[in-house]
Amino acid sequence: DSGVTQTPKHLITATGQRVTLRCSPRSGDLSVYWYQQSLDQGLQFLIQYYNGEERAKGNILERFSAQQFPDLHSELNLSSLELGDSALYFCASSPRTGQSGEQYFGPGTRLTVT
Amino acid sequence: TQLLEQSPQFLSIQEGENLTVYCNSSSVFSSLQWYRQEPGEGPVLLVTVVTGGEVKKLKRLTFQFGDARKDSSLHITAAQTGDTGLYLCAGDTGTASKLTFGTGTRLQVTL
Repeated sequence: DSGVTQTPKHLITATGQRVTLRCSPRSGDLSVYWYQQSLDQGLQFLIQYYNGEERAKGNILERFSAQQFPDLHSELNLSSLELGDSALYFCASSPRTGQSGEQYFGPGTRLTVT
Repeated sequence: TQLLEQSPQFLSIQEGENLTVYCNSSSVFSSLQWYRQEPGEGPVLLVTVVTGGEVKKLKRLTFQFGDARKDSSLHITAAQTGDTGLYLCAGDTGTASKLTFGTGTRLQVTL
């Protein structure tokens, strides 16, 4: 158990819909990272937040957005969903400031868009 | 764009055999991590190496960071079925706030 929690575990929704994925980092970790993993793309970095502020952006679509709240939990919002958005979405946390260093991953949310 | 290439992509061996997985890049990393991921679960951190030439051992697993900090290897001695999974290396350049993940090596160990 990494100490990172993610909900829900599974999500099935239709094209065009909007969903919110939730992540709680390990106690004391200030950085939260979001990744997308699909079969043909590997683990793709989406976005990082540090202590409530966006720190780095990766291959995140404009239809996707995220935020980190004062209690340090984070939410990833996916809108206008397409079939190609079906993937595993992972959240990771790290105690490091400004550098990614070691990251601890949650169990993931499996999103299926039908 | 920094790329971390892993080889081999797939490896199927029998229990008791030894194996080595390689992680190569043209970029220099301030640290490099190795993760193992099982189907439907998140990657689990195995080790972090930070010094060029560093060797770390974790039971039957030996990790090495290249002298130039551009490459790394993972050697498993006497593989067991419990070693089955996807092995990922990930590099931290120290200047960007993200890890660059390797392409992955899928290991299957059978009896």
